[in-house]
Amino acid sequence: AQSVTQLDSHVSVSEGTPVLLRCNYSSSYSPSLFWYVQHPNKGLQLLLKYTSAATLVKGINGFEAEFKKSETSFHLTKPSAHMSDAAEYFCVVSDRDSGYALNFGKGTSLLVTP
Amino acid sequence: DSGVTQTPKHLITATGQRVTLRCSPRSGDLSVYWYQQSLDQGLQFLIQYYNGEERAKGNILERFSAQQFPDLHSELNLSSLELGDSALYFCASSIDIAGGRYNEQFFGPGTRLTVL
Repeated sequence: AQSVTQLDSHVSVSEGTPVLLRCNYSSSYSPSLFWYVQHPNKGLQLLLKYTSAATLVKGINGFEAEFKKSETSFHLTKPSAHMSDAAEYFCVVSDRDSGYALNFGKGTSLLVTP
Repeated sequence: DSGVTQTPKHLITATGQRVTLRCSPRSGDLSVYWYQQSLDQGLQFLIQYYNGEERAKGNILERFSAQQFPDLHSELNLSSLELGDSALYFCASSIDIAGGRYNEQFFGPGTRLTVL
């Protein structure tokens, strides 16, 4: 069985400061891990994905995430937040248990203040 | 624009009714996934079709069904609708090489269903 836990439901940062969105996962197999972003009244956009290659994954818009197997974590970071980063972020796990369908976390709402 | 299209964008209907949501995948993608996003349940996987065949099932109610047609578009049918079915329904597609492990899914803009 697989699951994903996003440790913070809301995160607030000031513009220009670092962003950290935390995610822990569990999976019986070697998982694929993703971060998706959803802007208000918009669909879901893939930020980045981990599929057992490099453990540090770079995504779009300056985001990156590090896969740490020993900690079963896949935290999302960005060195400097921009106002346009305000959105809902979803950590996602998939493995062969679900036929590689995506199992979403509850989401973290990122607020960026001026 | 992901290349995945969904119609209609909005749907308002009454309890007990039946509706059909439509999804056209990206050109070349063989897999279609349906997801439901609601305030209380979050984003949940409903069902997957691959090249016309059902491949995986998630938390899909018996009142819901789906199919994928020869041209690869898919329809999600929701019947005997209840107030709790009000949600945003997303379709996603992927090319699905190597059994799906390395394939990202591209999401459509969603259909917002309101059941009154």
